[in-house]
Amino acid sequence: GQQLNQSPQSMFIQEGEDVSMNCTSSSIFNTWLWYKQDPGEGPVLLIALYKAGELTSNGRLTAQFGITRKDSFLNISASIPSDVGIYFCAGQGLGNKLVFGAGTILRVKS
Amino acid sequence: EAGVAQSPRYKIIEKRQSVAFWCNPISGHATLYWYQQILGQGPKLLIQFQNNGVVDDSQLPKDRFSAERLKGVDSTLKIQPAKLEDSAVYLCASSLFNEQFFGPGTRLTVL
Repeated sequence: GQQLNQSPQSMFIQEGEDVSMNCTSSSIFNTWLWYKQDPGEGPVLLIALYKAGELTSNGRLTAQFGITRKDSFLNISASIPSDVGIYFCAGQGLGNKLVFGAGTILRVKS
Repeated sequence: EAGVAQSPRYKIIEKRQSVAFWCNPISGHATLYWYQQILGQGPKLLIQFQNNGVVDDSQLPKDRFSAERLKGVDSTLKIQPAKLEDSAVYLCASSLFNEQFFGPGTRLTVL
């Protein structure tokens, strides 16, 4: 079935550093999404990507998906302690169906 | 605007018992989703409703899982009988257009 692979699985960075994480897919998606999940909560949408190759920003977050429509990245600039959490990429298929990756755990050292 | 509500937040049962989860979506959202999130994994769609009709239940283990949304608003997800591997967080989400809004989930532990 469809599968999204995220890397790295986890990262431990210093406050103020920039962060980059990636997602690759065995299938093509025309819409890519990045979510953040805090402990005990459901995922919250950070950025939605609708056009391949187009950089999209939301505050300190920047994301893009490639022209092959099989990969995406998320960058976080100047990380702060509240950035800790699990970041998921998701591909959106027919009927609004979402396929999620396994997540990247981000830990920030203040 | 109130978010997606789920209850209970936590549930511990023994294997072979039954359990039910409840979801109240955001008012006016026609589409409702149930996801299963096993520890260390991303959410996996179990079933999608459009109003009170099922759109996609291809990944729902129908021998033990069932879901309904009789009046097109609230929904319940039931597991009968539960297995150890059903231990997970069960997330409900709703959408009006494309964006899905998730509830806090119900954490199920099967002993």
